[in-house]
Amino acid sequence: GAGVSQSPSNKVTEKGKDVELRCDPISGHTALYWYRQSLGQGLEFLIYFQGNSAPDKSGLPSDRFSAERTGGSVSTLTIQRTQQEDSAVYLCASSLDGSSYEQYFGPGTRLTVT
Amino acid sequence: DAKTTQPPSMDCAEGRAANLPCNHSTISGNEYVYWYRQIHSQGPQYIIHGLKNNETNEMASLIITEDRKSSTLILPHATLRDTAVYYCIVRVPNNYGQNFVFGPGTRLSVLP
Repeated sequence: GAGVSQSPSNKVTEKGKDVELRCDPISGHTALYWYRQSLGQGLEFLIYFQGNSAPDKSGLPSDRFSAERTGGSVSTLTIQRTQQEDSAVYLCASSLDGSSYEQYFGPGTRLTVT
Repeated sequence: DAKTTQPPSMDCAEGRAANLPCNHSTISGNEYVYWYRQIHSQGPQYIIHGLKNNETNEMASLIITEDRKSSTLILPHATLRDTAVYYCIVRVPNNYGQNFVFGPGTRLSVLP
């Protein structure tokens, strides 16, 4: 079946611009996670959704970062006024529910801020 | 969540067993050990997890020491496609989301 998909696969933007990254989770998965991975680093948790609500936003690095999820499905991560340090691969994962340990990851969006 | 320590890199010959260690000396009684791997340019993939008993599935085996302060992930017959970064994570599971903390992991290179 279809896995987690993310779009765009690559995004190059100028410093100061806003960007939107999209995640389509596996159908039926109620839990959705956003992580980011800077070059050569491990993954950094950003936010967790259960359904449309986000009970854990503790990883969002600043108020320039926000995310929403609609219809219990698609999620959008928005970065406002991008900075060069925002350059990273942004990964989305979904799992059956919040208690599930097996997260299914998408291929990621590589964001480059120039 | 308890901190884990893994060697930054390891090599393994194709067809041989790959044994990847992880130290988690501050692990608490209700924390599980999870292993994920990340093949180049892909998202991480779940491998296996355990609490205190050894576990085996179609991908790997997980050996946890009796005091639970360390564990070893075993890939019994490594192939070139097992070349990846392997992450050991310890966490108390709950019903409110599993925001895993992925450290730098171990970069395993399987050599022909």
